Formats: sequence, C-alpha cells, structure tokens
Amino acid sequence: DTGVSQDPRHKITKRGQNVTFRCDPISEHNRLYWYRQTLGQGPEFLTYFQNEAQLEKSRLLSDRFSAERPKGSFSTLEIQRTEQGDSAMYLCASSLIGSGPNEKLFFGSGTQLSVL
Amino acid sequence: AQSVTQLGSHVSVSEGALVLLRCNYSSSVPPYLFWYVQYPNQGLQLLLKYTSAATLVKGINGFEAEFKKSETSFHLTKPSAHMSDAAEYFCAVRPGGTSYGKLTFGQGTILTVHP
Repeated sequence: DTGVSQDPRHKITKRGQNVTFRCDPISEHNRLYWYRQTLGQGPEFLTYFQNEAQLEKSRLLSDRFSAERPKGSFSTLEIQRTEQGDSAMYLCASSLIGSGPNEKLFFGSGTQLSVL
Repeated sequence: AQSVTQLGSHVSVSEGALVLLRCNYSSSVPPYLFWYVQYPNQGLQLLLKYTSAATLVKGINGFEAEFKKSETSFHLTKPSAHMSDAAEYFCAVRPGGTSYGKLTFGQGTILTVHP
C-alpha cells in the first residue's frame, strides 16, 4: 500500500496524559499536513511541513501541541496534558511540491482520539 | 480570508434521482475550490477541483460541479444517484495563487441514498 498511513487508528486516553500520533506520507511527497476534524465539522488545518521545515501553524495549535518531521519523511503529532476538547479525528495528508494549482492532497484514514 | 458554507447537513435521495449538494464560498481573492468525499473509516478522497480553467468541472464517479462567480457557488451534482454514493461530502476552498494545500472546509453534507 503506497497511500498515507496513520498510526494508531484509535487512541483512548485519560485527561492529562500525553499522546503521540504518527503519519507516514506517500514516499516521494515533500509536503505534509495535519488537520483536525471534530464531530459534525469539516477538517481544520493545523500545520504543514515542507520537507523537515514546519512552515505554518494554525492558531488552533496551542502550546500543548507539537509536530515534528525530523528527516522530511514521517511526522509525529504530540499532544501534552490532553483535555476532553482534544477529542477529535486527526488527519494527515501529503502532497508533491511543484504541481501548482494541481497540487493534490492525499489523506490518511486518520487517528481517532478520545479523551476521557 | 475565506470560508465555505454547505447548505444542508443531511441530504436524502432515492436511487436514480438527481443529487445536488450545495456549497457557497467567500474569498477575498479568486479561489480554488474542491469537493472531497469521505466514506466511513476511510480518508478524504478528491472528487473534483476548480482552478480557474473551465467553470464546469467533471470529476470521478459521474460527479460534476459548476463554478458560478456571480452566485459565489460551487454546487455538486450527479444526474443519477447510486447506492455507493452514500457518504459524507465536503466542499473546500483555498486562495488562488497559493501553491500549497492549506484548505478551508465546509462542515460537510451526509448523503443518504434510498433504494
């Protein structure tokens, strides 16, 4: 399978715990995005990387959130001291730079986080 | 700034009937517009996109959408619904001229298809 993969598919945690999600993009893609989707809403942009550089962060990304893409391949999203409001589907997407208006995002199936 | 409004969180049609999912956008610059579909337990899949070429855009699975600047709309249609079209559909926008995938999504429309 050469699509975007995310791990784990589901995560249940207690409030106050730290969680980390992983995203493996399509291998040749140099852009990687994180989105968050809450129930009944569309995805909301969180952050994106071009290679290993984090180029933009949304105001939604509080100080408890940190994302990395250390070698320009896979990425991790960590949430510290989770709160019930963090419960959501976290989506990862990747794309190939240089395709201009035809840049196409490929989404993973997401990680569903439930904070109890 | 840009935003997307999808009219109707749920749409129900009979198999073989016309599908019409409504999307209106707001953008300070000419936009690029997208429709995505999400099946249960799957990632978002691009149906079609408008990037300032033809105003009538054809996508996969028989869907098409028409960009109407005067109405700031980008409604999604399919002449004849199939049971397999049942899914959630999202309209999205990003400013024209940008070269990366930061999208603003609507809240989604769940399409139900009855036999």
